[in-house]
Amino acid sequence: AQSVAQPEDQVNVAEGNPLTVKCTYSVSGNPYLFWYVQYPNRGLQFLLKYITGDNLVKGSYGFEAEFNKSQTSFHLKKPSALVSDSALYFCAVRDTGSARQLTFGSGTQLTVLP
Amino acid sequence: GAGVSQSPSNKVTEKGKDVELRCDPISGHTALYWYRQSLGQGLEFLIYFQGNSAPDKSGLPSDRFSAERTGGSVSTLTIQRTQQEDSAVYLCASSLAGTSGANNEQFFGPGTRLTVL
Repeated sequence: AQSVAQPEDQVNVAEGNPLTVKCTYSVSGNPYLFWYVQYPNRGLQFLLKYITGDNLVKGSYGFEAEFNKSQTSFHLKKPSALVSDSALYFCAVRDTGSARQLTFGSGTQLTVLP
Repeated sequence: GAGVSQSPSNKVTEKGKDVELRCDPISGHTALYWYRQSLGQGLEFLIYFQGNSAPDKSGLPSDRFSAERTGGSVSTLTIQRTQQEDSAVYLCASSLAGTSGANNEQFFGPGTRLTVL
């Protein structure tokens, strides 16, 4: 079985400050990990993914995420937040050994305050 | 190029009626997924199609839900005898391959917001 946890329903950060959105996962095999962003009344947009290789993955809009196998985490980060980053963020995992579909976390609402 | 499209964007129906939701995946994408997003919830997997293989229906919540994919392209999700708890946003996604290859991020459509009165 595969699962994802996003422990924070809401994250608030001031514009210009660094932001972190947390994600932990559980799989029986090796994970493929993804971050998606959802703006109001829009579908999900792909941000970045970890498949293999470097633990630090860089993605769209200046976002990056660090894969930590020992902590089973894949936290999303950005050095300097923008008001336009305010959106709903979803972490997702697929166990490479089994399932084809993604399992999503419950989402974290990020609000960047001007 | 065109992304994943879904229609209708909004659907309001009465309890007990049947509804059909349509998804047009990105051309050339062999894998197609349906998810459901209820208010304040994450995404719930419903069904997965890969090429000509039998679909993975393990996420369908009841036998009132079914889906087809014709010609390996367009998909229709049908909900029979709708209930109020079916109200949600139904999202479709497609990807290049359903196998565990690297090029398998999913591209999502804008969703269909279903409201059952």
